[in-house]
Amino acid sequence: KQEVTQIPAALSVPEGENLVLNCSFTDSAIYNLQWFRQDPGKGLTSLLLIQSSQREQTSGRLNASLDKSSGRSTLYIAASQPGDSATYLCAGGLGGGADGLTFGKGTHLIIQP
Amino acid sequence: GAGVSQSPSNKVTEKGKDVELRCDPISGHTALYWYRQSLGQGLEFLIYFQGNSAPDKSGLPSDRFSAERTGGSVSTLTIQRTQQEDSAVYLCASSRSGDRGRFFFGSGTRLTVV
Repeated sequence: KQEVTQIPAALSVPEGENLVLNCSFTDSAIYNLQWFRQDPGKGLTSLLLIQSSQREQTSGRLNASLDKSSGRSTLYIAASQPGDSATYLCAGGLGGGADGLTFGKGTHLIIQP
Repeated sequence: GAGVSQSPSNKVTEKGKDVELRCDPISGHTALYWYRQSLGQGLEFLIYFQGNSAPDKSGLPSDRFSAERTGGSVSTLTIQRTQQEDSAVYLCASSRSGDRGRFFFGSGTRLTVV
């Protein structure tokens, strides 16, 4: 069964710093890896989707990488801003039903103004 | 609508009562998922609908939980005889192509059982 782990559980950095959030998964046979953002009291917003055949995806100041062989994904946030404060979740997709998308518990990020 | 819509956004109910939670997915999305998020926990899969196929109910925690999806669109999650441990945020997501595609989540229903 797929297990997804995110480290660190919480992170606080000053505004302007570049930072990396880590995600590891146990089953390398994933179809894709998705990164989400969750603001307090809100649902999840999809940030980036990396298919298994890809190594990275970029959107603005965000860059996500995927290394299936090592079972790792990273989310890089450049020039962090207070508005980036949120919980970031990664999820590995195995395909089909209950095994389809397994979530980590998230990294709670605080950007200090 | 442009996104996944869930209602109500908040629900407080007395222990033992039944509740219904509604999800309206993005038009054209064939896959629909229900998840539960408890305080301090990750997302827990509940049930999965794909088109007109029989749903995957393997994540439902007890027989008090059931869900329907009418006409391949709107879904209703029903919890009968609610218990305090049912208190959580219930999230619905839809996707164009199941697990190979990007997931779009609603804002969730926060259920509090008192």
